[in-house]
Amino acid sequence: GDSVTQMEGPVTLSEEAFLTINCTYTATGYPSLFWYVQYPGEGLQLLLKATKADDKGSNKGFEATYRKETTSFHLEKGSVQVSDSAVYFCALPNQGAQKLVFGQGTRLTINP
Amino acid sequence: NAGVTQTPKFQVLKTGQSMTLQCAQDMNHEYMSWYRQDPGMGLRLIHYSVGAGITDQGEVPNGYNVSRSTTEDFPLRLLSAAPSQTSVYFCASSYSGVLGGEQYFGPGTRLTVT
Repeated sequence: GDSVTQMEGPVTLSEEAFLTINCTYTATGYPSLFWYVQYPGEGLQLLLKATKADDKGSNKGFEATYRKETTSFHLEKGSVQVSDSAVYFCALPNQGAQKLVFGQGTRLTINP
Repeated sequence: NAGVTQTPKFQVLKTGQSMTLQCAQDMNHEYMSWYRQDPGMGLRLIHYSVGAGITDQGEVPNGYNVSRSTTEDFPLRLLSAAPSQTSVYFCASSYSGVLGGEQYFGPGTRLTVT
């Protein structure tokens, strides 16, 4: 079945460091891919998405490129801020089961 | 717009008690769902609804009931709480299911069963 695997956390970085959070997936066909972010004490919110191969999603300085050759959707940001501290989830839709399939989440902490 | 609202934010139950977690959205979304979030496991779908009067089971439905009498509301009922149901529960909604479109999540209900 469909699945999403994220790099294990937690990840701790200093402000202005470069960030990569790896995400690989297994799915039938070529589904849309999402990154959701969960700030402390809040629900999840969509950070960015890509709907087809080679698409790049971007938002708030974060980027991710849909790579069907490597079945990956890695999240990157060139210079992180303290306010980026959150849990990040990679996800894809499973239409048959009417659900989002989530990775286990990666907790990111940015120190000043 | 308030978006997706959930009540209560926190709840402590004893084993065997029942309760209802409330979820409401004001965006006229047809699709609504309930997920539970457990450490290291991401989010797992409990139940979902594609419109008023229509509900279906997700991947972890045991011990939970839902109903959808209006477009706006999608309550989740715990019939007889068990410690294994200690979790954070999120309600989500979208205009048309899970493909392509954004899911809007509520702030969550943190439930502890003792």
